[in-house]
Amino acid sequence: DSGVTQTPKHLITATGQRVTLRCSPRSGDLSVYWYQQSLDQGLQFLIHYYNGEERAKGNILERFSAQQFPDLHSELNLSSLELGDSALYFCASSVGTIGGEQFFGPGTRLTVL
Amino acid sequence: QQQVKQSPQSLIVQKGGISIINCAYENTAFDYFPWYQQFPGKGPALLIAIRPDVSEKKEGRFTISFNKSAKQFSLHIMDSQPGDSATYFCAASKNNNNDMRFGAGTRLTVKP
Repeated sequence: DSGVTQTPKHLITATGQRVTLRCSPRSGDLSVYWYQQSLDQGLQFLIHYYNGEERAKGNILERFSAQQFPDLHSELNLSSLELGDSALYFCASSVGTIGGEQFFGPGTRLTVL
Repeated sequence: QQQVKQSPQSLIVQKGGISIINCAYENTAFDYFPWYQQFPGKGPALLIAIRPDVSEKKEGRFTISFNKSAKQFSLHIMDSQPGDSATYFCAASKNNNNDMRFGAGTRLTVKP
C-alpha cells in the first residue's frame, strides 16, 4: 500500500458526460501528479500540482482540468468524454518538486460507453 | 514525441535466467532514471533508480546500468523468478521538476 488513495476505483459513463476523479496524497506529500494509462499510449503524464499550485502540464487535453485543494487532495475533471478517454487514471504523490520517488495510487478505471 | 524509448515490448524468460530491458532517452537534461514495476490491477511502484553520476546501481537481484554518452540505461534482473512477472517501466525526469516521462513498458513473463 503506497499510502495514496484514489476514488472511485471504477467508473462507467457515457460519451459527452463529465466525471471527477479524486486523489488523496500520502501524508506529508505536497506534490500530486496525474497520469493516464491506456493500452496504446502507455503512461502519459498529464499534470503536476505542488501545494495547490499548478507546476507543469504534460499531454493533458483542454477538456481535462485539475486542481489541488488546501487539504492537498486533488481532483481531475474530465468533460465531454469520448470513447478514447477510456483508460486507467493514476495519481502519484511526492514530498516536493525536486527529483525523487513518486508513490502511485491504485488508479481509477474509466470506461466511456 | 516519445522522450523515452523502451524495448522489448514483451519478454519471456525461464526461471533462474537473466531478464534485460533497455531504454534510451533523448533529453540530456534528464538526470533521474527510475524503473517502476507494475502488477495487474495495481499502480506502478518504484523498483530501483539511478542518477547519471554513477554507471551502475545494484539492489539485490536488480541492477541498473547507465551509459550517459549513449543516453541509454537498462535493467537487469538476475535469477529471474515467476514472482517477477509484471510490467516494467523505465522513466526519466529532470531534477528540477520531477515531471516523469515513461517508456512504453515491458511485459515480463518468467516461466517456472
